[in-house]
Amino acid sequence: DIQMTQSPSTLSASVGDGVTITCRASHRISNYLAWYQQKPGKAPKLLIYKASNLESGVPSRFSGSASGTEFTLTISSLQPDDFATYYCQQYNSYSYTFGQGTKLEIK
Amino acid sequence: EVQLVESGGGLVQPPGSLRLSCVASGFTFSRYWMSWVRQGPGKGLEWVANIKQDGSEKHYVDSVRGRFTISRDNSKNSLYLQMSSLRDEDTAVYYCASLRGFSAYDAIASWGQGTLVTVSS
Repeated sequence: DIQMTQSPSTLSASVGDGVTITCRASHRISNYLAWYQQKPGKAPKLLIYKASNLESGVPSRFSGSASGTEFTLTISSLQPDDFATYYCQQYNSYSYTFGQGTKLEIK
Repeated sequence: EVQLVESGGGLVQPPGSLRLSCVASGFTFSRYWMSWVRQGPGKGLEWVANIKQDGSEKHYVDSVRGRFTISRDNSKNSLYLQMSSLRDEDTAVYYCASLRGFSAYDAIASWGQGTLVTVSS
């Protein structure tokens, strides 16, 4: 099975800051990686697919990139609505796996 | 607008059974792979199972294989998850999910609101 290691588990930042979350795959996944945002009590929301493609309706301050088996989600200028938990997910195999999550908190 | 509405959750004693349902609307259900994803209390997301458009392929996470069965009825735009031999660790919110494209190799574009399954004696 493909394991996804996400870091950090918690991130404290202020409105206006830029932040980066990283996910590392245990095997090559051909950029079949997605990023989701989840708020308490709500279903996740797709932000990025195929490592760097912005889902329709998602603000352009969100971006994704890939280098080998390492993937990053960058939020360029944090807005109050961005404080949430973020998950990466690989879908290179029929058995999808998620990262452990990164909780983005207000500093 | 895509809508996925789950039902069937509740409290069940181990090693009981439960059947979850999900009714889809707003898209051509029969053209998409579908998945179930769960989230334990205070925990992260865990993919549970997925099923091909015609039901001919099904895949499961190791921890539920042999106990859970995913199925669909395209005539009713419905997805199901039959859960048996339930354990405490199956306690979670279960989400019905549809993929972004027609392949299994795609991100999850739409999620239901979730249905809570509690396994406890």
